[in-house]
Amino acid sequence: EPEVTQTPSHQVTQMGQEVILRCVPISNHLYFYWYRQILGQKVEFLVSFYNNEISEKSEIFDDQFSVERPDGSNFTLKIRSTKLEDSAMYFCASRPGQIPYEQYFGPGTRLTVT
Amino acid sequence: DQQVKQNSPSLSVQEGRISILNCDYTNSMFDYFLWYKKYPAEGPTFLISISSIKDKNEDGRFTVFLNKSAKHLSLHIVPSQPGDSAVYFCATNTGNQFYFGTGTSLTVIP
Repeated sequence: EPEVTQTPSHQVTQMGQEVILRCVPISNHLYFYWYRQILGQKVEFLVSFYNNEISEKSEIFDDQFSVERPDGSNFTLKIRSTKLEDSAMYFCASRPGQIPYEQYFGPGTRLTVT
Repeated sequence: DQQVKQNSPSLSVQEGRISILNCDYTNSMFDYFLWYKKYPAEGPTFLISISSIKDKNEDGRFTVFLNKSAKHLSLHIVPSQPGDSAVYFCATNTGNQFYFGTGTSLTVIP
């Protein structure tokens, strides 16, 4: 069964460094998402991506964040200058079309900023 | 910005009985409502959804009820099984932006 994959599973970085989190969505899916979950808190929407551009983004997704789909299969989230409060689990998700709305999530990347 | 609230952080139910998980929302413009299940160290897994124009959707042991006047959504699992023990999130969307609740941790006791 096709699945969303994410690498790395755990990333440790120093404050101020840039990180790139990678995702390979399911191949025939059209909509792509990044979410984060700070330990003990809810899953928070960061950004949605469709037709090679950002569709919607939350207030969390400021200028420090960017997304790319560089080669038609990978979908990346870049954090330019990490802060301690960026430490969280980051989930990538994809879905095939407009309706139904269910998304398929990857296993997540745990980002630890020290 | 609590668009979606799950007021019960945890729930314990005996195997074979009904589990009822609840969710309240604030915005009557939401399109779809979804339930996800999450095990530790895994991403959320889609369970069941309901369009805002319906009031019930059933899939096997899982039924979702939508009460639009009360802005309330519930997930019924019957009969509950030990493998159902997980964190359950309700979620909803406006367009391509999705909002998740804080989750309810369900424990099904054998």
